[in-house]
Amino acid sequence: SQQGEEDPQALSIQEGENATMNCSYKTSINNLQWYRQNSGRGLVHLILIRSNEREKHSGRLRVTLDTSKKSSSLLITASRAADTASYFCAPGGYQKVTFGTGTKLQVIP
Amino acid sequence: EAGVAQSPRYKIIEKRQSVAFWCNPISGHATLYWYQQILGQGPKLLIQFQNNGVVDDSQLPKDRFSAERLKGVDSTLKIQPAKLEDSAVYLCASSTRTSGVTDTQYFGPGTRLTVL
Repeated sequence: SQQGEEDPQALSIQEGENATMNCSYKTSINNLQWYRQNSGRGLVHLILIRSNEREKHSGRLRVTLDTSKKSSSLLITASRAADTASYFCAPGGYQKVTFGTGTKLQVIP
Repeated sequence: EAGVAQSPRYKIIEKRQSVAFWCNPISGHATLYWYQQILGQGPKLLIQFQNNGVVDDSQLPKDRFSAERLKGVDSTLKIQPAKLEDSAVYLCASSTRTSGVTDTQYFGPGTRLTVL
């Protein structure tokens, strides 16, 4: 399986600040996805970055991928209280995805 | 486009009872996943179907859990008998994946199971 490990485990910031979370993995991948999970809800897909891409943007989200270091980062700019959630990375390839424990982000109004 | 539907949303049972969860994936999605998410942990894959065949059930406790996907559409996950440690959120997801690499999974709202 391909498991992502998110870091830090928890992050607390003020509304308007930027939030950065990281993901490390161990096997080679074809793509990497980030998901968000609000409390008590299912996961929501945020963004997919392919292994031949280094950076991708979607609204206030910026994802980077460094395949040589087997790591990715998710940056949320100008955070809002509604961004309070757990964030999971999902390294993708031919094997099944194994989710880590996620980064729990709290945005304080 | 309608999302992944799950029912019930909440279920409370006594240990040793049985329970069943239902999932209706997004129309046309070939692959369906059942995950178990214990509080404070990430989702753990229990079983993956492609159409109505099982692709991966290596983490499904087969002595008590069973799942089926009839006609390659809806799916049910059953626990019989339930144990206290089965208390968790059960998530269903679907994707268009037919082979090859992992693609985007679309998750339902989940069923929160409490075993007393």
